[in-house]
Amino acid sequence: AQSVSQHNHHVILSEAASLELGCNYSYGGTVNLFWYVQYPGQHLQLLLKYFSGDPLVKGIKGFEAEFIKSKFSFNLRKPSVQWSDTAEYFCAGRQAGGSYIPTFGRGTSLIVHP
Amino acid sequence: GAGVSQSPRYKVAKRGQDVALRCDPISGHVSLFWYQQALGQGPEFLTYFQNEAQLDKSGLPSDRFFAERPEGSVSTLKIQRTQQEDSAVYLCASSLASSSVANTGELFFGEGSRLTVL
Repeated sequence: AQSVSQHNHHVILSEAASLELGCNYSYGGTVNLFWYVQYPGQHLQLLLKYFSGDPLVKGIKGFEAEFIKSKFSFNLRKPSVQWSDTAEYFCAGRQAGGSYIPTFGRGTSLIVHP
Repeated sequence: GAGVSQSPRYKVAKRGQDVALRCDPISGHVSLFWYQQALGQGPEFLTYFQNEAQLDKSGLPSDRFFAERPEGSVSTLKIQRTQQEDSAVYLCASSLASSSVANTGELFFGEGSRLTVL
C-alpha cells in the first residue's frame, strides 16, 4: 500500500539546536508532499508543501524541506529551533493523478527545552 | 469563526451507544475529509466528500460507520453500536477545490472530536 513513514517518533532538543525530521514515501510517479504541525491544544496546520519545481521548499517559521526523489524522502529541517517549536509534526503525501487523498505518517513529537 | 468547526469537542459513550459527530467546514470549501486519529498515531483516512457526493469511503472501518453531507456543507459522521476500539480523535478537514486539481492540496483541519467509549 502507498504510505508515508516517519522514523523519529520522539525528538528532544535544546533551543538553538538544529532539527531534521525524516519522512519517506512509497508512491510511484508524481507525488505531492506536505508537512503539517500541531501545536499543543491547536488544530493541524500546514507548514509547507511540495508539488514540483525546486526540491528545496521553504515554509513558515523558518522551516524547510528537501524533496529527494532518488531516496523517496522529504525531510523537514530547521537550523535553530525555539521553545515555541514544541509540537507534533506530521508528514503527508498523495499520489498526483490518483485519488489525491493525503495519507499521513505516524507523526513526530518534538520537545524543545528552553 | 472562519475555520473548520467540529462538535462535540469531547464525547463519552457507553459501549453499544450510537454517536454523531458534526463538522462545519469553511464556507465555500468543496472537499471535506474525515480522518480518525488514535492515540500516538497519525490521522487515518476515513471518507471523502466532494460537495454532497461521497466519492471515497474506503477508510471506514466497518458498516457501523456512516457519513453524510446532504447539502454539500455540514457533514455528520455517525458511529453505531460504538466499541472500545472506536475511541479516538475524529478529525474533519476541508479544502477549497476538488481533490482532482493538482495545484491545491492544503487541508484546513478542525480541532477534532475526541470520542471515548467505555
